[in-house]
Amino acid sequence: QVQLVQSGAEVKKPGASVKVSCKASGYTFTGYYMHWVRQAPGQGLEWVGWINPNSGGTNSAQRFQGRVTMTRDTSISTAYMELSRLRSDDTAVYYCARDLTVVPTTHLSALDVWGQGTMVTVSS
Amino acid sequence: QSALTQPASVSGSPGQSITISCTGTSSDIGGYNYVSWYQHHPGKAPKLMIYEVTNRPSGVSNRFSGSKSGNTASLTISGLQAEDEADYYCSSYTSSSTLSFGGGTELTVL
Repeated sequence: QVQLVQSGAEVKKPGASVKVSCKASGYTFTGYYMHWVRQAPGQGLEWVGWINPNSGGTNSAQRFQGRVTMTRDTSISTAYMELSRLRSDDTAVYYCARDLTVVPTTHLSALDVWGQGTMVTVSS
Repeated sequence: QSALTQPASVSGSPGQSITISCTGTSSDIGGYNYVSWYQHHPGKAPKLMIYEVTNRPSGVSNRFSGSKSGNTASLTISGLQAEDEADYYCSSYTSSSTLSFGGGTELTVL
């Protein structure tokens, strides 16, 4: 079955970086955009960015530009999201999620398969 | 501040219908038919309920329906059930080739 499995919880100090992985199975990894979404404690869902696993192209929300790096390793069907210069307000559950539209596409659509989430805690 | 505006909370009794609105701009909701809705129970991953304004993924109850008029999209849940109690989020594709989420609506089934 189609599945996304994320790496485990992380605890980081302010100013450090964190890298979260998302391993896909049950479908052609390079055929669908992958998104990253986060939810801080008591807050709503916040879109972080996307990666085209086929080309490696990326785009992110303006507030994360310069701090977020999204990459992929097609040989192991895994996407990565690295967030640098961490602050306490980056404490959140980070999800990877697959876009249901097939690459190539002129648009993004909806997120039909989600990972289980990775808790990232930033604390001194 | 979220790019899309949703009411913070709505409530309804079992069997009733409720509607959650999601207001954006001509650069997102009004410009594209790529509005989606998600159900989120605490501690679990969000679940896609509606995509491309009106479409239901396989396995989603037909009690859930979506619509759009101008810059505002809506999610309607008919025949409310206790299990529908959750947070609901709208999302839209934008002219910057990004996604925007609404702030979320907490649904309480009385």
